[in-house]
Amino acid sequence: QVQLVQSGAEVKKPGASVKVSCKASGFTFSGYYMHWVRQAPGQGPEWMGWINPNTGGTNYAQKFQGRVTLTRDTSITTTYMELSRLRSDDTAVYFCAREKVVVDTMYHYYGMDVWGQGTTVTVSS
Amino acid sequence: QSALTQPASVSGSPGQSITISCTGTSSDVGNYNLVSWYQQHPGKAPKLMIYEGSKRPSGVSNHFSGSKSGNTASLTISGLQAEDEADYYCCSYAGSSTWVFGGGTKLTVL
Repeated sequence: QVQLVQSGAEVKKPGASVKVSCKASGFTFSGYYMHWVRQAPGQGPEWMGWINPNTGGTNYAQKFQGRVTLTRDTSITTTYMELSRLRSDDTAVYFCAREKVVVDTMYHYYGMDVWGQGTTVTVSS
Repeated sequence: QSALTQPASVSGSPGQSITISCTGTSSDVGNYNLVSWYQQHPGKAPKLMIYEGSKRPSGVSNHFSGSKSGNTASLTISGLQAEDEADYYCCSYAGSSTWVFGGGTKLTVL
């Protein structure tokens, strides 16, 4: 079935880096952009960035520029989110979510329709 | 980018209709018809309810509908049901291949 399965919970110290994986199955990996979204406790989701699995091209929210890196390995249909220089306020659940984007005479965006189960990242000294 | 503005909470009785607003700017909501809406139950991942402003994905009930006027998008839920009680978030394209979420609205079914 269509699913995104993320790696397990992480506990990191301030200043460290974390790398979270998102394994796709049940659909054509190259056909969907992959967003990364985080949600701090009791807060709304926060968009971090997305990656085009075909080209590897990425775009990041300004807030995370220079600290977040999205990559993908098409051979194992997996995308990765690495966040560096962690701070306590990076403690959150991190989600990957796919989105179909179709280009004809214009761009069509079909929404984040499948989400991973979330990965809890805790930053604490 | 700043988060889109949503009311913190709304409530309604079963069978009633409610509307959740999502206010952005002329750089995001007002400039693109690319608002999506997500429903989230506690401890779960968000679920897509509306995309491109007013389109429903397959499997989403037609008692959910979306619209936009100027810099404000809206999600209307008609015929409220107990299982609609959840948090709702809007998300808009913000230009330069970036996206921004709203702060969220807690819907209580009385």
